Amino acid sequence: GQQLNQSPQSMFIQEGEDVSMNCTSSSIFNTWLWYKQDPGEGPVLLIALYKAGELTSNGRLTAQFGITRKDSFLNISASIPSDVGIYFCAGQSSTSGTYKYIFGTGTRLKVLA
Amino acid sequence: KAGVTQTPRYLIKTRGQQVTLSCSPISGHRSVSWYQQTPGQGLQFLFEYFSETQRNKGNFPGRFSGRQFSNSRSEMNVSTLELGDSALYLCASRDYNNEQFFGPGTRLTVL
Repeated sequence: GQQLNQSPQSMFIQEGEDVSMNCTSSSIFNTWLWYKQDPGEGPVLLIALYKAGELTSNGRLTAQFGITRKDSFLNISASIPSDVGIYFCAGQSSTSGTYKYIFGTGTRLKVLA
Repeated sequence: KAGVTQTPRYLIKTRGQQVTLSCSPISGHRSVSWYQQTPGQGLQFLFEYFSETQRNKGNFPGRFSGRQFSNSRSEMNVSTLELGDSALYLCASRDYNNEQFFGPGTRLTVL
């Protein structure tokens, strides 16, 4: 199945450090979404981006919709232990009223206290 | 507002059996999508329903089917289960901003 390129695949960081991850695609998207998933649970929506160049924050999280509409990044500032989990990006496109979401391969984050 | 709910949370079946999973979207959301999540393939789209009609379908065999009721609740059915169908099945409902909200998932294990 189709997946977006997401990097890094995993990262171990010290508590208090900033984290950056990104997603790239060969396709153009109308919307970029970032999710966090804890083990055994469904993904939780963190941030939604609607137009190219848009920069949006949600607490310590900041995400940007790339100018080319083919990429997006997520930054987490001053990481804390509860930031541990898997982060997914998702690109949304629509054709004739049909909506399609493609998900990234995920970034597994571990925070060392 | 209550979130997306899925039942059951866990299910164990044997090969050849069939299974039905249920999803109730967020109140007011008319679109429901289903995804399969496995460690190897990640999140893969199964299908989307909107107002009781299947709007979009992913690349899964015909053993995977779904339906949506007039109250927007949706069910997904998998017939003739195979070992490879073991996965976390996620349901998501979509709002008018095209933001998808996921349920907790149903963990299906096929023995």
